[in-house]
Amino acid sequence: GAVVSQHPSWVICKSGTSVKIECRSLDFQATTMFWYRQFPKQSLMLMATSNEGSKATYEQGVEKDKFLINHASLTLSTLTVTSAHPEDSSFYICSAEPPGQGYEQYFGPGTRLTVT
Amino acid sequence: QKEVEQDPGPLSVPEGAIVSLNCTYSNSAFQYFMWYRQYSRKGPELLMYTYSSGNKEDGRFTAQVDKSSKYISLFIRDSQPSDSATYLCAMSSNYGGSQGNLIFGKGTKLSVKP
Repeated sequence: GAVVSQHPSWVICKSGTSVKIECRSLDFQATTMFWYRQFPKQSLMLMATSNEGSKATYEQGVEKDKFLINHASLTLSTLTVTSAHPEDSSFYICSAEPPGQGYEQYFGPGTRLTVT
Repeated sequence: QKEVEQDPGPLSVPEGAIVSLNCTYSNSAFQYFMWYRQYSRKGPELLMYTYSSGNKEDGRFTAQVDKSSKYISLFIRDSQPSDSATYLCAMSSNYGGSQGNLIFGKGTKLSVKP
């Protein structure tokens, strides 16, 4: 099956610093990738849709200047949390959509961000 | 009213039991219905996919969609301790791409006791 990786799996950073999270589709090309955030005991909330070669589409309430998304290639999307604050601490999960399988998203293992 | 409602549980059953997991939704435009399994601190993995109403069976898992009632179910037969995880329902009104946003339920945490 399709494999999506994320790096790092866990990161701790100080308040005010920036953190970059990578999402890679390992064995397929993904024109569309999605970034989700999941707080404890909560559902996955879509943050943004990332399309290769174009600007990401952000969901309402998500600050595009704070959560920078770059989808520079068909196998890599990055999420940068800028000027992180403790309230940004969460589980960030990406997913990628194989071409021709519009209903199916393959999820990465997630990145746990803790901002101190 | 939230778009997708799912009882968060937790649900605890003995090994071998039949498990019933459910979601209700309010958006009649949803046509694609998925069930994901998520182990602790891991990303979700797709278990079942159903388009529109009907049943779908895959091994011990059966997914049911009743669009008239806006209600979907996942049944797990002969449950195993390895089935212990959080089960998320998800649905979409469009077929993928930038329009195929999934709306997730909160997830039901299932524990199968040996």
